[in-house]
Amino acid sequence: DTGVSQNPRHKITKRGQNVTFRCDPISEHNRLYWYRQTLGQGPEFLTYFQNEAQLEKSRLLSDRFSAERPKGSFSTLEIQRTEQGDSAMYLCASSGWDSLLYGYTFGSGTRLTVV
Amino acid sequence: TQLLEQSPQFLSIQEGENLTVYCNSSSVFSSLQWYRQEPGEGPVLLVTVVTGGEVKKLKRLTFQFGDARKDSSLHITAAQPGDTGLYLCAGADNNDMRFGAGTRLTVKP
Repeated sequence: DTGVSQNPRHKITKRGQNVTFRCDPISEHNRLYWYRQTLGQGPEFLTYFQNEAQLEKSRLLSDRFSAERPKGSFSTLEIQRTEQGDSAMYLCASSGWDSLLYGYTFGSGTRLTVV
Repeated sequence: TQLLEQSPQFLSIQEGENLTVYCNSSSVFSSLQWYRQEPGEGPVLLVTVVTGGEVKKLKRLTFQFGDARKDSSLHITAAQPGDTGLYLCAGADNNDMRFGAGTRLTVKP
């Protein structure tokens, strides 16, 4: 297993366009998380899946954001009608049941720039 | 709004010096984790502390969890340039972790 993989690594898009990011978690992990990180800040929680079920969504996740994990494996995060304020690093992480003890494994992130 | 306050925000020291960074909250956490993040990469887990008063050592790094499980500290002995990075603490909040804003450490050779 090569860890958590995120694609693309970088994305530059024009304001108003839609973008989609992909995350492939560690195969044995049933939990998957999306976070957003802006310059000078720690990661901010966006949403969380247990298998294919989306169990929690942050207030940060406006109706322009949608996340899916259709078969409980990879996940996608889509942002519709992007705004400049969406520019950030989008991080995906995965964990097993014991995340409180063994923590999360993060991907390298997708850096989004909205121009 | 960050549940966890980290201090200092920035720290620049010379190689060989010792340092301590702090993570404080008004909330009680069932566990607290420390991560290190390098530019352009995701955070990497360093340690998890679970029991109030717990002390864990990882080579030159010493982690302490407060008795009330609301705060934690990370002490680095004889810092090296390879320790440079963003140090993040994260507390368990229901089913997910909430992160502080981090301490950005620079160790100059």
